[in-house]
Order: sequence, then structure tokens, then C-alpha cells
Amino acid sequence: DVKVTQSSRYLVKRTGEKVFLECVQDMDHENMFWYRQDPGLGLRLIYFSYDVKMKEKGDIPEGYSVSREKKERFSLILESASTNQTSMYLCASSTGPNGYTFGSGTRLTVV
Amino acid sequence: DQQVKQNSPSLSVQEGRISILNCDYTNSMFDYFLWYKKYPAEGPTFLISISSIKDKNEDGRFTVFLNKSAKHLSLHIVPSQPGDSAVYFCAASGVRGGADGLTFGKGTHLIIQP
Repeated sequence: DVKVTQSSRYLVKRTGEKVFLECVQDMDHENMFWYRQDPGLGLRLIYFSYDVKMKEKGDIPEGYSVSREKKERFSLILESASTNQTSMYLCASSTGPNGYTFGSGTRLTVV
Repeated sequence: DQQVKQNSPSLSVQEGRISILNCDYTNSMFDYFLWYKKYPAEGPTFLISISSIKDKNEDGRFTVFLNKSAKHLSLHIVPSQPGDSAVYFCAASGVRGGADGLTFGKGTHLIIQP
């Protein structure tokens, strides 16, 4: 089974801090994604990557950046955390539309 | 503008009955549709999918129907079981085959009553 591991289940950070969310997949997938899930808003795509060092903006990239230095690892960076970035963050990897696997999520609270 | 819409935030169904979850889409370039199930504090898990060239796909208790002319799909769960209580997300992918991400609806919280 494909495994997507997010390094933290829960995080509490202060406003203005730089925050790193890490995601690692173990199945050599080309494509990796970062979503955030908020009540009543569903899952919204922040950034995605289809290859090492390649990245593309999703629907809500403002306030975020990403890094993909190795194929298995995709990091989401909050440059200066704000309270409106309090959310559940979900990482996924895939080989195609039928092959998405999500991590367990990171619940980030910015205070 | 929301391209995938789930207009029912919640749905309550008695155990053993049929659960029908609905989803509408606006983008005619979508060609693959999926349903995901999500429990609290867990990531979404894939449930069932359908290609735009089909109108029905069945997997055990789960059936997805696609009406392309109406841009509408539905997920039927028969019979509904307590473990089916979860949030269900409808998702769609376009010409890049999901490489540029899936577009999700807002979700429907299904509650199965004993």
C-alpha cells in the first residue's frame, strides 16, 4: 500500500512564525499535492508538483510556498503564519486521477 | 466560482436503507469523477470512480451514476451501515488526468441512524 506520511498530526504556531509542513511518500509517485480543508469549504488545492524542483500554484497559493528537492518529499511553507491559515492540511500523492493517496493530515492552529 | 457542488451539507439515513449523495459540476472539461470518504482526523480515502464515457459504476454496496447531459452524478450506498457515517467528497479531474489536482466539492456529512 502507498503510504503518505505527514510529519505532525497537530501543530500550534504563533502569528508571524515561519512554518514547515513535511510530507513523504514511499511509492515513487511523480505527482504530489497540498490541500487545506476547512468546514463548509471542502478541500482546496494550494500547490502541486509533478516532478522534482517543479511546482505549480493551485487555487489558493497566497501566503504559501513549497519545496520539492527529492521525489519523495514535498514541503509546504507558511512564510509568515496568520490566524486565517488555521486549518487541516492534507498532503497527497498520485499516479493519476484514480490513484490519489492522502496523508492523515496536519491540524495547524495559529494563535 | 465553484465547479463541483454538493448542495446538501448533511444527510441522515436509517441503517439498512439507501443513502443517495448528489453532486453537480459546471466544467464540461471534467472527464473523470471520484468519491472520497473522510472520517474526522484522517485523510480522505478513495471510494469509487467513474469515467465520463460510462454512466454507471458499481463496487459492492456502492454505485456511482453519471448523467453527463445534466452534469450530475450521484453515489448510492445500499444498504447503509453505521460505519458509513462520514463526510463524502465528490471530486473531478480534467484533461491532465489529475496531475494538476482534483477539484473537490464541499462535502456531505452522512449520518447513519441505528
